[in-house]
Amino acid sequence: KQEVTQIPAALSVPEGENLVLNCSFTDSAIYNLQWFRQDPGKGLTSLLLIQSSQREQTSGRLNASLDKSSGRSTLYIAASQPGDSATYLCAVEIDSGTYKYIFGTGTRLKVLA
Amino acid sequence: DTGVSQDPRHKITKRGQNVTFRCDPISEHNRLYWYRQTLGQGPEFLTYFQNEAQLEKSRLLSDRFSAERPKGSFSTLEIQRTEQGDSAMYLCASSSISDTQYFGPGTRLTVL
Repeated sequence: KQEVTQIPAALSVPEGENLVLNCSFTDSAIYNLQWFRQDPGKGLTSLLLIQSSQREQTSGRLNASLDKSSGRSTLYIAASQPGDSATYLCAVEIDSGTYKYIFGTGTRLKVLA
Repeated sequence: DTGVSQDPRHKITKRGQNVTFRCDPISEHNRLYWYRQTLGQGPEFLTYFQNEAQLEKSRLLSDRFSAERPKGSFSTLEIQRTEQGDSAMYLCASSSISDTQYFGPGTRLTVL
């Protein structure tokens, strides 16, 4: 059974710091991995999608890496800003007939001005 | 194409009442998913449709829950005899066979 774990559960950093969020999954048979942002009480905003054959994706100040063999992904945020404060969710799309997503419980990030 | 839409965005109901949510997927997407997210947790899979066929249901989907996707277009999720534990964000997502899932804005349910 696929399980997704995110560490840390919460993180508070001063503005301008670079930071890394971690995601691990137990079964390497994934179709892709996606990082989402979620603001309080809101839906999911897709940040980066990494296909299973890819190693990393970049968008602006965000960089996500994927190591399928070790079951790990990291989301790197450069030069953090108060507007980055949100919950970040990692999800793996399992390689099965349904291709459903299995989500982690998220990392709550607070960037202090 | 305006993405996945969900209606209503917020629903407050009293315990014991029935509620129904609607999801309109991206028009060419034949796959549709429902997820539930409780406070402080990540979303959890509820059910999956391919066209009009409901192909998988999670054990989270008790007998009080029913989902339909008539004609393979929009989908509805009904909860009968709501309980306080049903309070959550209900998310819908759609995809085509060769693409990833796109999520709607969610319906936030509060059961008093």
